[in-house]
Amino acid sequence: DGGITQSPKYLFRKEGQNVTLSCEQNLNHDAMYWYRQDPGQGLRLIYYSQIVNDFQKGDIAEGYSVSREKKESFPLTVTSAQKNPTAFYLCASSISYQETQYFGPGTRLLVL
Amino acid sequence: KQEVTQIPAALSVPEGENLVLNCSFTDSAIYNLQWFRQDPGKGLTSLLLIQSSQREQTSGRLNASLDKSSGRSTLYIAASQPGDSATYLCAVKGTYKYIFGTGTRLKVLA
Repeated sequence: DGGITQSPKYLFRKEGQNVTLSCEQNLNHDAMYWYRQDPGQGLRLIYYSQIVNDFQKGDIAEGYSVSREKKESFPLTVTSAQKNPTAFYLCASSISYQETQYFGPGTRLLVL
Repeated sequence: KQEVTQIPAALSVPEGENLVLNCSFTDSAIYNLQWFRQDPGKGLTSLLLIQSSQREQTSGRLNASLDKSSGRSTLYIAASQPGDSATYLCAVKGTYKYIFGTGTRLKVLA
């Protein structure tokens, strides 16, 4: 089965803690993206990567970091610098930057 | 700066009705426009992608149109069903990223 997986489904962060959200795809897509979704707001782009070992900041990159060491994987770390991390995080991928984006099921991050 | 607006924010219709969801954008210099469906607590499912050179796309009971000059797109759903209940999002692709609207929450009543 081809698709995008995100784990965990729910994640709890303690004050001052860094947490990492996983995103894996077996679609052989070059481009991958991370979005944040808050109630009543549209999706906002955090980071994107057009190719392995390359990534760019989106609109709200502060307090987040990513890596793209493998084509299939694009993990997102929410650092302690992100003061309002509670949100629904969505990962997506596409064959190339101009093509349809396919989304994972999302991870809901909550702060304890 | 590109802005994407979806009106109405919520819509309830009886089963079987044909309906239209609207999406407007402020900058006509787009590469494509995509319509998505999102069920509560889930990821997004792509419904239709319209390239900037196209006027419309169809998939089953769904038809999406694009008028770049007026900055508008519509998603037409024919013969609506309770299973169509979800939030529908449009996203406009600019130079390097998609800008999303806030969505229209659709409820189809049985």
